[in-house]
Amino acid sequence: QSALTQPASVSGSPGQSITISCTGTSSNIGDNNYVSWYQLRPDEAPKLIIYEVNNRPSGVSDRFSGSKSGDTASLTISGLQAEDEADYYCSSYTTAFVTFGGGTKLTVL
Amino acid sequence: QVQLQESGPGLVKPSDTLSLTCAVSGFSISSHYWWGWIRQSPGKGLEWIGYIYYSGGAYYNPSLKSRATMSVDTSKNHFSLELTSVTAVDTAVYFCARKSALYTYFDCWGQGTLVTVSS
Repeated sequence: QSALTQPASVSGSPGQSITISCTGTSSNIGDNNYVSWYQLRPDEAPKLIIYEVNNRPSGVSDRFSGSKSGDTASLTISGLQAEDEADYYCSSYTTAFVTFGGGTKLTVL
Repeated sequence: QVQLQESGPGLVKPSDTLSLTCAVSGFSISSHYWWGWIRQSPGKGLEWIGYIYYSGGAYYNPSLKSRATMSVDTSKNHFSLELTSVTAVDTAVYFCARKSALYTYFDCWGQGTLVTVSS
């Protein structure tokens, strides 16, 4: 069982916004701002889309945003596009150790 | 442009040792980055295996109970993973990835390679 809990699936229509939650504990997400999010598409290298809670790497669309409250981090995707259909994983870094969430499958209807 | 490419046997027998290599191109493995391994078992989430610095220092996921060993070959600009005493639960897509020594995330990943443990 993953230390970080994500919903197994979410869905939305093109143009809508969705939010994926990632719940941890006071020992990981609640302990620092080292939360990152990754996008996994079949047959592609995983892609970093958010780092340190709410920062976007260069080249990542501003439709992706992150936030955190207490032990729960969230990824919001606004203006959903078909290309956003993928699996999304949160990750927490604590004293050199890395933990991933169980992943959330996003379906664009 | 940094590229990471995993390679190794796609099929490993139970109780044998799984060996993978990640070739790094477009970037020196001796830079201030950690080089990591992550896996994804069928139908399951990502699992961090560990990461290693070019000088040899490494961190491992305690759940692997010392079965994993990583190494770096700076002359070939690649790094490797060995996982001993494999069972079916080690069947997964294995990814290699890069993490800056200054930051807490993996900013560049390989496409992954499927390793199946079966007799």
